[in-house]
Amino acid sequence: LAKTTQPISMDSYEGQEVNITCSHNNIATNDYITWYQQFPSQGPRFIIQGYKTKVTNEVASLFIPADRKSSTLSLPRVSLSDTAVYYCLVGLNTGRRALTFGSGTRLQVQP
Amino acid sequence: DAGVTQSPTHLIKTRGQQVTLRCSPKSGHDTVSWYQQALGQGPQFIFQYYEEEERQRGNFPDRFSGHQFPNYSSELNVNALLLGDSALYLCASSLFSAGDNSPLHFGNGTRLTVT
Repeated sequence: LAKTTQPISMDSYEGQEVNITCSHNNIATNDYITWYQQFPSQGPRFIIQGYKTKVTNEVASLFIPADRKSSTLSLPRVSLSDTAVYYCLVGLNTGRRALTFGSGTRLQVQP
Repeated sequence: DAGVTQSPTHLIKTRGQQVTLRCSPKSGHDTVSWYQQALGQGPQFIFQYYEEEERQRGNFPDRFSGHQFPNYSSELNVNALLLGDSALYLCASSLFSAGDNSPLHFGNGTRLTVT
């Protein structure tokens, strides 16, 4: 399973753009990169997923360089409600392989 | 459209006891995975069920067992509880045929406290 490395914590202010980078040097050819968000006492919530280049949805953007050894989750104009733990996962979620969560990045947004 | 539901939400047990946690997957999903999340840690994979069989298992002892029913719901059983089993237990569902990259949908978990 591809191991991921991401910052333990980050601080930001409301209205700023936040970029969280995840390293995954041994990503496999078939692996996807998926980001989840988790609030206290809730289960993780899917944010975005990509395989290569750039993916954008209504919540975030995901940038993946050509070598796929890292990825960056971009949250535009964060608000207080974006305060959460963000997990970067690499792998497949079928019965062939199980997803491995790291310790995540704890994002604190200040007013 | 009901999401993943778990019961109970909270549970307090004594060391040595046994516990059963329940999960109903999101409507239309057929695969259920269980995770254990200790305080301040990321979720750790316990096992995954599809077609009523355990398909994958993480690094958890045999005290942890599970079951999937024909309606795709699932149970997680933990025997001989230890203090270290205190955690948030998360259930996640997905659709096996949707492909390797179909996202997991998580419930809000069962908070188990072992005293």
